[in-house]
Formats: sequence, structure tokens, C-alpha cells
Amino acid sequence: EDQVTQSPEALRLQEGESSSLNCSYTVSGLRGLFWYRQDPGKGPEFLFTLYSAGEEKEKERLKATLTKKESFLHITAPKPEDSATYLCAVGGNSGYALNFGKGTSLLVTP
Amino acid sequence: DAEITQSPRHKITETGRQVTLACHQTWNHNNMFWYRQDLGHGLRLIHYSYGVQDTNKGEVSDGYSVSRSNTEDLPLTLESAASSQTSVYFCASSESTAGGSGETQYFGPGTRLLVL
Repeated sequence: EDQVTQSPEALRLQEGESSSLNCSYTVSGLRGLFWYRQDPGKGPEFLFTLYSAGEEKEKERLKATLTKKESFLHITAPKPEDSATYLCAVGGNSGYALNFGKGTSLLVTP
Repeated sequence: DAEITQSPRHKITETGRQVTLACHQTWNHNNMFWYRQDLGHGLRLIHYSYGVQDTNKGEVSDGYSVSRSNTEDLPLTLESAASSQTSVYFCASSESTAGGSGETQYFGPGTRLLVL
């Protein structure tokens, strides 16, 4: 059975203090690993898709990396507007459905 | 711009009533999904559809049903609402018929449902 574990559950950073969020996964035949951002009261907003170990993608202050067992979302010099819950999900050989982790709640203070 | 919309955004109902949540997408995507999101559980799949007239059960499908009569819409029906179905419901869609779970899913804004 596909499993996704995100850590930490919550993270508080000072503005400018870089850090990383972790997503550990087990999946039968990885088709894709996805990162989403979710603001309170809104739907998940797509950030990145990674398909194979060694792949990296960047967007502004965010960089996602992938190994065979985990993915990291690196946040460089975060700003208060980066505060949100970040969700990780994997898709495997079982079909079209994604398996989501419980998310990491990030708070960036000025 | 193409988008995915959900209605209503908020709903209060009573135990035992039938409730239908609407989901409409203008991307012409083949695949559509319904999830529920609860504290401590993350997003869990309720039902999904790969195309018109196709529907499939997800992880938490008991008490829910869907039907797909066109590409754009996948309404979710709670046959007899229960307090355990109080949750936030998200609809999502993805494009490909061949890419499987490697295709990116795009989410709607959600419907917050309270069952009293």
C-alpha cells in the first residue's frame, strides 16, 4: 500500500531563515511526486511534479528534490507570505488516484 | 481562463437529508476526483471518474455516490447525511487518459459541509 509521511507537522521560521520540509514515501512504481500549497479556506494549489530520483525543480524561493525514498521542499529566505500548509502526494501504479500526506504547516514570522 | 468551481461553498444540513455537491471544470479534463479533508487525516479519496459514464470507488466511498453524464461535471451525492460526513470536500481534475497517476491534479476551492 502506498504511504506518504510528512515531517515536521508544523514549522515556525523567522523571515529569512531557510529550512526544508520532508516527504517520505513508499509506492509501487512511482508515477509522480507532487507538492501543493494550501492556504486556509482554499483548495490545494499545485507547485511541482517530480518524476524520477535526482530531479529538481525550482520556483521563486522554493526548490523541490527527489530521491528514491523521499522528497524535500527547500525554502530559501522565506517571507511571511510563504506561510501555508504544504502537501505532498504520490501517484503509483494503482491507477489515477494520488495518496496524500497530512501536510506541514509552515508559519513565517517577520 | 479555464477553471474548476464548486458549489455551494458552505452548506449546513440535517442528519438523514440527501445532499448534492456540485463540481464543474472548464479544462475539458477526462479525469475528475472527489476528496474529503479532515484534521489528522489529510486528503482522502471518495470517488473518481476517468470519463463520461465511468465512476470508481475510492478509499472512503461509503455513503457517497457520483455520476458522470458529461465531461465538465461530477456531482457528489450524500444519500443520507451523517454527522461523520461533516468535512471539507474538494473536487479535482486531471487531463490525460494515458498518464495515470503521474498527471497533475488541479483542485477546486472546496465545499465546507456541516451535518447537524
